[in-house]
Amino acid sequence: DIQMTQSPSSLSASVGDRVTITCRASQSISRYLNWYQQKPGKAPNLLISAASNLQTGVPSRFRGSGSGTEFTLTISSLQPEDFATYYCQQSYSTPPITFGQGTRLEIK
Amino acid sequence: EVQVVESGGGLIQPGGSLRLSCAASGFTVSSNYMSWVRQAPGKGLEWVSIIYGGGTTYYADSVKGRFTISRDNSRNKVYLQMNRLTAEDTAIYYCVRDQGASDAFDIWGQGTMVSVSS
Repeated sequence: DIQMTQSPSSLSASVGDRVTITCRASQSISRYLNWYQQKPGKAPNLLISAASNLQTGVPSRFRGSGSGTEFTLTISSLQPEDFATYYCQQSYSTPPITFGQGTRLEIK
Repeated sequence: EVQVVESGGGLIQPGGSLRLSCAASGFTVSSNYMSWVRQAPGKGLEWVSIIYGGGTTYYADSVKGRFTISRDNSRNKVYLQMNRLTAEDTAIYYCVRDQGASDAFDIWGQGTMVSVSS
């Protein structure tokens, strides 16, 4: 099974900051990498598919990049509504579909 | 509106069984890949099972042999039959639609809570 490792596990930042979350795969997954945002008490929401494909309705301050084993999610200018937990998910070698452990983004 | 709504969760004793339902609207489950994803309290996301359009099914090792995913095309519903439940199965269970090509989960339900405890 492909293991997904996110870093950092938690992150404190301020409104307006630029933040980057990294997701590493245990083997190459090409660009089969998706990103989700989850707010407390809510279901996850798909932000980015296929490493860099921004979903409809997702603000352009979110950007995904990477290929192979290393991927990043960048938020260019944090807004109050962006404080949440973010998960990556690989869809290259499935099943099983595997998620990263999550990155909790908190307000500084 | 494209959405899925789960039901069937609850409190169940260890060793018991439960069947979760997922009602889809705005799309047909038989034309899509449908998965169940769970989230234990305070933990991350764990994929549980998938049913492909053609009916092929797969399971996470943690539930293989105990859980069965199925669907009813006439009702446009997906089900998760869960047997021999343990405390480790306690979680919110989400029904999700898979985009297909990218295996990205684009539609999520609100989730249904399953608590396994004596």
